Amino acid sequence: QLQLQESGSGLVKPSQTLSLTCAVSGDSMSSGDYSWSWIRQPPGKGLEWIGYIYHGGTTYYIPSLKGRVIISRDKSKNQFSLKLTSVTAADTAVYYCARVGSYYDSSGRFSYYFDYWGQGMLVTVSS
Amino acid sequence: QSVLTQPPSVSGAPGQTVTISCTGSSSDIGAGYDVHWYQQLPGTAPKLLIYGNNKRPSGVPDRFSGSKSGTSASLAITGLQADDEADYYCQSYDRNLSGSGVFGGGTRLTVL
Repeated sequence: QLQLQESGSGLVKPSQTLSLTCAVSGDSMSSGDYSWSWIRQPPGKGLEWIGYIYHGGTTYYIPSLKGRVIISRDKSKNQFSLKLTSVTAADTAVYYCARVGSYYDSSGRFSYYFDYWGQGMLVTVSS
Repeated sequence: QSVLTQPPSVSGAPGQTVTISCTGSSSDIGAGYDVHWYQQLPGTAPKLLIYGNNKRPSGVPDRFSGSKSGTSASLAITGLQADDEADYYCQSYDRNLSGSGVFGGGTRLTVL
């Protein structure tokens, strides 16, 4: 059974960098054409997709965070990471890592969903 | 503001059927992109409930079903149970947002 576990600092000062790592266990990140994603949820609010690293290595980010966010992976350690720079209180959220299942439908349209999730980690931005 | 629109809340009595709608636009659901649904029980991570509009992952009861038509999708839950009380989110793909996965704002299901 695939498991994902977030780790990192739970408290970040404004203007500093948020850094989280997602450890993948139960299978190798290199097996199968899977991509890996970060999603966040501000307290009491809904889910927001942050971005993902495609199995080929290309990254995609939500436009509102472009320039501040980097997702990377280390297949040798079976983990992937999130860095978010210049954080503000608006970045306070529970951060989830997730595996991405992607495919092309019968009409050639690309689609993806999140089939395995970490338990989530609350990151608070405060001085 | 979410790209996909869901009702903030729905409710039903045990044994009843409830449906949750998810309305998009011509750049996501209306463009033919598939819809996926997640269940988030209180204090836990979301769980994949439906993928590809109407497919259930292994272990998801057939009381949960999904459908899609035009610019909207729906999640139906039959034989409502107390432990179905949760937040439900739809998710799709927006071709105008360069790879972005888009979520609905979420619907809180209350079992009366």
